Amino acid sequence: GESVGLHLPTLSVQEGDNSIINCAYSNSASDYFIWYKQESGKGPQFIIDIRSNMDKRQGQRVTVLLNKTVKHLSLQIAATQPGDSAVYFCAENNDGSEKLVFGKGMKLTVNP
Amino acid sequence: ETGVTQTPRHLVMGMTNKKSLKCEQHLGHNAMYWYKQSAKKPLELMFVYNFKEQTENNSVPSRFSPECPNSSHLFLHLHTLQPEDSALYLCASSLGGAASYEQYFGPGTRLTVT
Repeated sequence: GESVGLHLPTLSVQEGDNSIINCAYSNSASDYFIWYKQESGKGPQFIIDIRSNMDKRQGQRVTVLLNKTVKHLSLQIAATQPGDSAVYFCAENNDGSEKLVFGKGMKLTVNP
Repeated sequence: ETGVTQTPRHLVMGMTNKKSLKCEQHLGHNAMYWYKQSAKKPLELMFVYNFKEQTENNSVPSRFSPECPNSSHLFLHLHTLQPEDSALYLCASSLGGAASYEQYFGPGTRLTVT
């Protein structure tokens, strides 16, 4: 069964606001997590990743937070722009192989 | 561009047809993947190839047949498909191993089975 899931199926924000997308995972052995963004008509694109020995990692306008105690992952997007409108997926690696287990995805809509 | 290309981008085929999807990666990666993406479902892993060897077949029906002639190319041969096989088929590649789990995706092939 699916071990990674998203709390909210859709999120609508105003341009300029900060967005937070949440993800829960069930496998405590998971040691790598990754966020992807998928725009309409395109394949998923890497946003940011984090290993389980970290709690926080920052990129350009994005921050990933990992709370291993409650098995929770979040993606924060600062100053959300219309170009951020997409479906966002979290995924995990939990067995040391090459495989990633993906969540269902959540659609982010940014209103101008 | 991610360095992973897929052809065709769109395909319509009848249930008795035979067709092939092609994926090529220009990243020097060693692992390649086929995923199926259906509406309202998580990405479903179908096959994994590592150094041209198949290391994963996720209980995929035999009407889907993968082929990996070298580390840069991956095919998915299709025959006698069902309408429920209509979906976006995504190819991905990665370095392979625990050094990097990041997968790079192609744009996908939108398949419609009539």
